[in-house]
Amino acid sequence: DAGVTQSPTHLIKTRGQQVTLRCSPKSGHDTVSWYQQALGQGPQFIFQYYEEEERQRGNFPDRFSGHQFPNYSSELNVNALLLGDSALYLCASSRTSLVSYNEQFFGPGTRLTVL
Amino acid sequence: GQQVMQIPQYQHVQEGEDFTTYCNSSTTLSNIQWYKQRPGGHPVFLIQLVKSGEVKKQKRLTFQFGEAKKNSSLHITATQTTDVGTYFCRSGNTGKLIFGQGTTLQVKP
Repeated sequence: DAGVTQSPTHLIKTRGQQVTLRCSPKSGHDTVSWYQQALGQGPQFIFQYYEEEERQRGNFPDRFSGHQFPNYSSELNVNALLLGDSALYLCASSRTSLVSYNEQFFGPGTRLTVL
Repeated sequence: GQQVMQIPQYQHVQEGEDFTTYCNSSTTLSNIQWYKQRPGGHPVFLIQLVKSGEVKKQKRLTFQFGEAKKNSSLHITATQTTDVGTYFCRSGNTGKLIFGQGTTLQVKP
C-alpha cells in the first residue's frame, strides 16, 4: 500500500497563473480533504470531497476549487495565483463516516511557490 | 466561528524533562485528534479522544480530553530527541476541520 500520494512535490508559478495539484488516497479510503499550510502555521482546511462532491468547505475564496474522480483521487485547482498562496498543500484521506471521527492519513504535500 | 487555540507555541526542554501542550476550543467538540509533524514532514495521526474526561496513554505520551469537551492536553514524560516536532490538535466536529496552530517542541540532548 503506497499510502497517500501527491504530485508534484514542488512547483513554482508566477502571479496570475493557475495550478492543479493531484492526490491519490490510501487504498480503501473514499474521502479526500485538502489543507493549506503556511510556514510555521497549522494546516488550514480548504475543502473535503466525498462521492465526487464537495462535502465541506473552509474559509477559502472561489479561486480554490476541486474535483474528485470515481477512483477517489482528487485535484485541487487554484486560479489567479497570489503571492500569499505560497504554501505546502496537504492532501489527507480517510474512510467516510457520518461524523468526522476518522483518522486522516496525510500525503507528503506539494510545496507551491508563487513568484 | 469555531476557534482552536494551542499553547505554548514553542517549548524548549532538556532531554529527560517533561512536556505538555494544551488545546482549547471556543465551542464544545465532538472529538479531538492529535497529530505530530516532524520538521520537513507531514502530519501523522497520534490519537483520537471522544468521551468527556477521557485519558489515553501511548508509552510516554498521555492524552486527556476535558470534562466539558472544550479542551485537551498532550503530556510527554521524559522527553527524548525523537520527540522533536510540532504537535497539533484538530477538532473533529462535522463541518470545518480545524487545526490548532501547533506547539513546536525542541529537545536538547
